[in-house]
Amino acid sequence: DAKTTQPNSMESNEEEPVHLPCNHSTISGTDYIHWYRQLPSQGPEYVIHGLTSNVNNRMASLAIAEDRKSSTLILHRATLRDAAVYYCILRLRGGSQGNLIFGKGTKLSVKP
Amino acid sequence: NAGVTQTPKFQVLKTGQSMTLQCAQDMNHNSMYWYRQDPGMGLRLIYYSASEGTTDKGEVPNGYNVSRLNKREFSLRLESAAPSQTSVYFCASSPFGANVLTFGAGSRLTVL
Repeated sequence: DAKTTQPNSMESNEEEPVHLPCNHSTISGTDYIHWYRQLPSQGPEYVIHGLTSNVNNRMASLAIAEDRKSSTLILHRATLRDAAVYYCILRLRGGSQGNLIFGKGTKLSVKP
Repeated sequence: NAGVTQTPKFQVLKTGQSMTLQCAQDMNHNSMYWYRQDPGMGLRLIYYSASEGTTDKGEVPNGYNVSRLNKREFSLRLESAAPSQTSVYFCASSPFGANVLTFGAGSRLTVL
């Protein structure tokens, strides 16, 4: 199974942009790139996903490298509520097996 | 919208006791999943049900059984609890073949 590599932790200041990197050098052509986040004492929450093109939604943006071997989750203005563990995950296109392989993720701290 | 509801939220068991974790979703999703999360770790898939009437093993199924009671409900049973099963358990659901999972708030289980 293709795996992802993320930094263990990152820090940001409130109201500044945050770029969370993810490497997935063994990604296959049918793998979607997903991002979930987990706030303290809560279940994971979907953030965004994409296949090849950059994606934007109300929570974040996802920038995908042209070779798809890396991606970056962008929080445009970090708030204290964005402090969480962020997971970059690969999922097979159309897969129904629940094969979300969660690594340890990146723990994001946001300073006021 | 309740989303995914898990019961109980907390449970303490003695080694050898049995119990069932309940999960229900009200989003008309076809697929449901059970994950466990140990301290400082990502989530690991225990069992999943791609659709009503089907269940399959995930990454760590040993010591667990599941029942897809109907489209809404997916239960996880520990027949003879062991201290190694002390963990936080998350239930999730998704439309069949879709890329986005919705997670419950988790059930914290301690086995003494």
